[in-house]
Amino acid sequence: EAQVTQNPRYLITVTGKKLTVTCSQNMNHEYMSWYRQDPGLGLRQIYYSMNVEVTDKGDVPEGYKVSRKEKRNFPLILESPSPNQTSLYFCASSPLMINTGELFFGEGSRLTVL
Amino acid sequence: AQSVTQPDIHITVSEGASLELRCNYSYGATPYLFWYVQSPGQGLQLLLKYFSGDTLVQGIKGFEAEFKRSQSSFNLRKPSVHWSDAAEYFCALSLGGGFKTIFGAGTRLFVKA
Repeated sequence: EAQVTQNPRYLITVTGKKLTVTCSQNMNHEYMSWYRQDPGLGLRQIYYSMNVEVTDKGDVPEGYKVSRKEKRNFPLILESPSPNQTSLYFCASSPLMINTGELFFGEGSRLTVL
Repeated sequence: AQSVTQPDIHITVSEGASLELRCNYSYGATPYLFWYVQSPGQGLQLLLKYFSGDTLVQGIKGFEAEFKRSQSSFNLRKPSVHWSDAAEYFCALSLGGGFKTIFGAGTRLFVKA
């Protein structure tokens, strides 16, 4: 089944404790992206990647890191989480060859930073 | 600057009634427009998309949307709402090249019996 898989789905952590949210897709998509969803703000892009070893900042990259060492994986790293990073996070992928921007989403990871 | 506006934060409709969710966009080039639906606890699922051609597009679950360039709008419609349609709906604009998608703030739909 074609899918985007995120882990963990739920996480409660404390300020400053490094964490990684993993994202993996099995559709051989070139493009992957991370979004955060906050009430009243919709989805805002954190980082995106056009292909392996190619990443770039989105609209709200502060406090986050990403890497793209393999085509299927695009982990989101919070080196020193803070309470304002409490949010619902979505990973998405897209086949760039089609070049339409249609996104395939994971089920989301709800992060709480205390 | 590019933007997507969904004027209604939430809408309540009766089951069986018609539905229209509004979306306005701002973009200087030809837009790629999407509607996604998010059910509680789920990720976003594509309902329909507009790239070019026919301005009335059909999607899944009985939804349709009409692109109106003169009004910079892409409103979502359904003739008869079912209780299972209760969810949050997002309008989105993909910029050229597909590397960036801008989302509206979302409209939460409540369906009453």
